[in-house]
Amino acid sequence: AQRVTQPEKLLSVFKGAPVELKCNYSYSGSPELFWYVQYSRQRLQLLLRHISRESIKGFTADLNKGETSFHLKKPFAQEEDSAMYYCALEYGNKLVFGAGTILRVKS
Amino acid sequence: GAVVSQHPSWVICKSGTSVKIECRSLDFQATTMFWYRQFPKQSLMLMATSNEGSKATYEQGVEKDKFLINHASLTLSTLTVTSAHPEDSSFYICSASGQGKGEQYFGPGTRLTVT
Repeated sequence: AQRVTQPEKLLSVFKGAPVELKCNYSYSGSPELFWYVQYSRQRLQLLLRHISRESIKGFTADLNKGETSFHLKKPFAQEEDSAMYYCALEYGNKLVFGAGTILRVKS
Repeated sequence: GAVVSQHPSWVICKSGTSVKIECRSLDFQATTMFWYRQFPKQSLMLMATSNEGSKATYEQGVEKDKFLINHASLTLSTLTVTSAHPEDSSFYICSASGQGKGEQYFGPGTRLTVT
């Protein structure tokens, strides 16, 4: 069955520190993975997708099929990065979301 | 571009009544719309997928007679919670896709409270 695991409910870092939000998935097919972000009082929005291999707001994520992971990374956290982050797996045309990780960046 | 709206943003209703929530794609045609439910401090759970002009596909465990979904046009889908009960209180979020595979655009959500 398709499953997305985000082991950390909360990740708290200081401004300027590196950030890594963990995501592991379970899927028998060829996965398409996404990171969505929800800032305070805003709607969920796409941050990045693995197929585009892009960097958005300094964030990158690499798909590691061997470890079935898609961790989100940023070398230097900023206060405006504080938000809820969801990792999602697409199968068919549906998305399965992880439980989400709250990132709190302290000044 | 790619804006999705929901109406109402919050609603309170009495147990036993029905509530309709609208989801609109404002600047694009949504071939597919999705309805999610989110409990406090939990993730989004997909309830159903609807394609314009056809019946919705419900996820396992979701009562289709209780959560009626209509996708009558390429810009509008509605979710009707029938005979609502307090356990139906939740945050309902819709999303729409139509521009590129895999990308869904989310509405702001509707907070439903059943008293």
